[in-house]
Amino acid sequence: EIVLTQSPATLSVSPGERVTLSCRASQTISSNLAWYQQKPGQAPRFLIHAASTRATGIPARFSGSGSGTEFSLTISSLQSEDFAVYYCQHYNNWPSITFGQGTRLEIK
Amino acid sequence: QVQLEQSGAEVKKPGASVRVSCKDSGYIFSGYYLYWVRQAPGQGLEWMGWINPNSGGTNYAQKFQGRVTLTRDTSISTAYMELSSLRSDDTAVYFCAAGVGAPPDSWGQGTLVTVSS
Repeated sequence: EIVLTQSPATLSVSPGERVTLSCRASQTISSNLAWYQQKPGQAPRFLIHAASTRATGIPARFSGSGSGTEFSLTISSLQSEDFAVYYCQHYNNWPSITFGQGTRLEIK
Repeated sequence: QVQLEQSGAEVKKPGASVRVSCKDSGYIFSGYYLYWVRQAPGQGLEWMGWINPNSGGTNYAQKFQGRVTLTRDTSISTAYMELSSLRSDDTAVYFCAAGVGAPPDSWGQGTLVTVSS
């Protein structure tokens, strides 16, 4: 089973800052990785698939990169609405999918 | 655009079963896969399985094999997740989510299932 490890678990940043979240796979998963944003009491919101392709309607300040085992999600200038928990998910072994444990982005 | 509407919160006793429904606006029965994901309080996301609403084909996460059953009723564009032999650690919010293959990109609002004696 391929495990996704996200780091850090929690990140404290100020609005306007640039932030990068990391997701590492225990084995290579090519570019079969997605990112989601989840706010309290809400369903996850689909952000990125194929490691770097933004979903429809996702602002350009969100960008994904990486392939193989190392991936990142960058938010270029944090807005107040971006403070949330972010999950990576791989689908390299589809029909199975696996999520990382999440990174909480909080206001400094 | 896919819009998923889930059934309301449930409270069940240990050992019982629960069935959660996920109604689609009409798209998922035309080439989508319908995933079920759960989230225990304060925890991360856990994939349980998926169903192809068109064919009825299913795939289950190993952890839930034998305890979860995914079905659908095409006449009312609704999919169901039934979880049996409930335990306290099954208390969670259960989400359905749809995608053309992977990853799932449209999510229902979630259904809270509480297991308590």
